[in-house]
This record gives sequence, structure tokens and C-alpha cells, in this order.
Amino acid sequence: NAGVTQTPKFQVLKTGQSMTLQCAQDMNHEYMSWYRQDPGMGLRLIHYSVGAGITDQGEVPNGYNVSRSTTEDFPLRLLSAAPSQTSVYFCASRTGQISYEQYFGPGTRLTVT
Amino acid sequence: GEDVEQSLFLSVREGDSSVINCTYTDSSSTYLYWYKQEPGAGLQLLTYIFSNMDMKQDQRLTVLLNKKDKHLSLRIADTQTGDSAIYFCAETSGTYKYIFGTGTRLKVLA
Repeated sequence: NAGVTQTPKFQVLKTGQSMTLQCAQDMNHEYMSWYRQDPGMGLRLIHYSVGAGITDQGEVPNGYNVSRSTTEDFPLRLLSAAPSQTSVYFCASRTGQISYEQYFGPGTRLTVT
Repeated sequence: GEDVEQSLFLSVREGDSSVINCTYTDSSSTYLYWYKQEPGAGLQLLTYIFSNMDMKQDQRLTVLLNKKDKHLSLRIADTQTGDSAIYFCAETSGTYKYIFGTGTRLKVLA
């Protein structure tokens, strides 16, 4: 199993550009989520999905879109990048076991100039 | 709202024990987790504890939970230089929402 994979690893965007961060998992997990990590702020939930076709907003959803057409993939779209979206983005998926532990991808470091 | 707090830094000597502390506010927390993040990497799940437990031991790791005081700790025995990383505490009440602390940077001195 590859676990949770993310691409790209690094990205630089100009203000106003759009892009999609890719996330895939091969563990057949129903629950997937996107977080951003900023210095001194821990991880904050952007969007999550409890299964194909079902998504919902987290704590900081503005400026981001998600969709879930398959169990494996959960892309995050930045509609019009802003410098405030400079961050490290992590995708995670969750086991269906009762302990609810999440498994994280390696992250995408995004810089918006 | 719910919050999870951790101290920012901890420095220990190689071979000593490290204790990383965490406090949380959500009284309905069901599971509490410890994650390790090495530079440039994602979060790696180290261990977790269910809220009806007081202690969990896993090799060099010991988790203590004081539910009355909403205090969680992670003890690493015989700390090695490879343990240098950022450690995150997180909690969930079993819904789809997880609250993460800001992380404790552990530095192990040789």
C-alpha cells in the first residue's frame, strides 16, 4: 500500500491563479480531509468527505473547493490564489475502525506571491 | 470553542526521558492522539488513547490521560536523537472534527 499520496510536493503561484492539489489513498477509506498548517497554529480543517459524492466544510473553507467522485481521490482546488493561502497542505484519510485514527500524506508546500 | 494547548519547545539530553504535555477543553473528547512530524514530512500517528483509559504503553511510549483535568501527556523513554521532531496532540469526539494542538518541538541533545 502506498497509503496517502499528494502531488505536487512544492508549488509557487501568482495571486489570482488557480490550481488543484491532488490527493489519493489506496486503503479504501471512506473519510478523507484537507488541512492547512501554518506556523504557530497547528492544523486547521479546510474540507472533508465521508464518501464518494459527499463533502462538507471544515473550519477554514473560504477560497477552496473540493469534490469526491471516487473513494480513492479527493482533490482540493484553489479558485483564485491569494498570499494568505501560502501554507503547507495535508491530506488525510481515516480508518473505519472505531479508533478513528487519521493517516496523513506528505504535504504540499504552496507559496502564493 | 474547543481548544488544545501544548508548550512550544522541549529540550532533553539523549538517554533521558521526555514528557510532552497537552491540555484540551472538549469534555466530550472520545479519542486523543499523538502524532510526530519530522522536517518536511507529514504527520505520523504514534499512538492514541480512548477516553475511558488512564494509561497506555507502547514500547518506549507511555500515554497518560487525566480526564478530570483534561490533561494528556506523552512520555518517551530513553530519548534518542531520532526522536527530535514536532509532536502534535489531537482530539476528537468521534464526529468528523479533529482539534490539533500547535505542536511541541522536541530537541534531543547528544
